[in-house]
Amino acid sequence: ETGVTQTPRHLVMGMTNKKSLKCEQHLGHNAMYWYKQSAKKPLELMFVYSLEERVENNSVPSRFSPECPNSSHLFLHLHTLQPEDSALYLCASSQEGGSSYEQYFGPGTRLTVT
Amino acid sequence: GQNIDQPTEMTATEGAIVQINCTYQTSGFNGLFWYQQHAGEAPTFLSYNVLDGLEEKGRFSSFLSRSKGYSYLLLKELQMKDSASYLCAVNSGAGSYQLTFGKGTKLSVIP
Repeated sequence: ETGVTQTPRHLVMGMTNKKSLKCEQHLGHNAMYWYKQSAKKPLELMFVYSLEERVENNSVPSRFSPECPNSSHLFLHLHTLQPEDSALYLCASSQEGGSSYEQYFGPGTRLTVT
Repeated sequence: GQNIDQPTEMTATEGAIVQINCTYQTSGFNGLFWYQQHAGEAPTFLSYNVLDGLEEKGRFSSFLSRSKGYSYLLLKELQMKDSASYLCAVNSGAGSYQLTFGKGTKLSVIP
């Protein structure tokens, strides 16, 4: 595996379900991100972990709960979601303190809440 | 607040040149990125500008004017595979995580 991988690629869940999205980066980076991408809206930064500590939480509802057990893995736990949470959820990673601030993105999880 | 503007859609002909503009108003500035995103795929990095001027990379070039809060992405010798959304993003802080994205410009390349 190379780059940034995400599973599952597609997820359909009811409003009362609990599910988790998984992200893994194979680039040796020390920062990981969750973004939400909805139709006709800009990419929205949700959470940032740098050196496994959360450094950014952009007023995201508590029904989204991130977890970063180590620098290579990032999870997004979902519970009691709303239909408006249906979107593409993208994970990204980067190397903080490096010469380039480029973020590398995973392929995303297409989430549909019914 | 942070604001990034770019056109919603553009159409250009195969073999031609197209310029995608981006204007920004952000609380700070530590560089501007362009990403390409094909439908249903992850965004991929195209360019990074932190100083004024033109950065050229093959068929793609990116320009920045910090005093005007303005950037453009120039695509030459357009190919059908260049049909994608192009995202402008500004790093407004010291860390790379403070990226603010525009809504993206959907480019359609026609024969």
